[in-house]
Amino acid sequence: DIQMTQSPSSLSASVGDRVTITCRASQSISRYLNWYQQKPGKAPKLLIYAASSLQSGVPSRFSGSGSGTDFTLTISSLQPEDFATYYCQQSYSTPITFGQGTRLDIK
Amino acid sequence: QVQLQESGPGLVKPSQTLSLTCTVSGGSISSGSYYWSWIRQPAGKGLEWIGRIYTSGSTNYNPSLKSRVTISVDTSKNQFSLKLSSVTAADTAVYYCARYNSGWYEHWGQGTLVTVSS
Repeated sequence: DIQMTQSPSSLSASVGDRVTITCRASQSISRYLNWYQQKPGKAPKLLIYAASSLQSGVPSRFSGSGSGTDFTLTISSLQPEDFATYYCQQSYSTPITFGQGTRLDIK
Repeated sequence: QVQLQESGPGLVKPSQTLSLTCTVSGGSISSGSYYWSWIRQPAGKGLEWIGRIYTSGSTNYNPSLKSRVTISVDTSKNQFSLKLSSVTAADTAVYYCARYNSGWYEHWGQGTLVTVSS
């Protein structure tokens, strides 16, 4: 199985901050990496697919980059509605695996 | 717009079989090149991929669950289903169905909590 490791596991930030979350794969996954946002009691929501493509309807303050084993999700200017948990997910091979999540809290 | 909705018992006894159904609306389950998947999330924890079924009926399962999992599709009802046998308390989780397209999950059900308890 490909292990996905996110860092940090939790993060406190303020509205307007620039935030970066990292996801590392245990082997190269090319650009088969997606990012999701999950709020309490809700299903995950797709933000970024194929490492850097912005899903339709997702604000442009979200961006993704990386390839191979190292990937980042950046939120350029945090908004109140961005406080949530973020997950990366690899689709390079089955079993499909997710990172453990990064919880983004209000400072 | 495709929508998915999970249904099934919210309480299952240990050693029994968990059975859930996902009903797809807004499109035919047999059209397009999609995998229909099950993913679960224990309370306060991360997401675990259970497995998926292709439009053709071929399946892939998580090796950690493979001996206990069956995913099937009923195109006449526009539904796909999950069966997980010999459940224990460790199988208590919110179970999501989702549509996999080209590598990512764009459409998810709202999730359904299944508790394993006597």
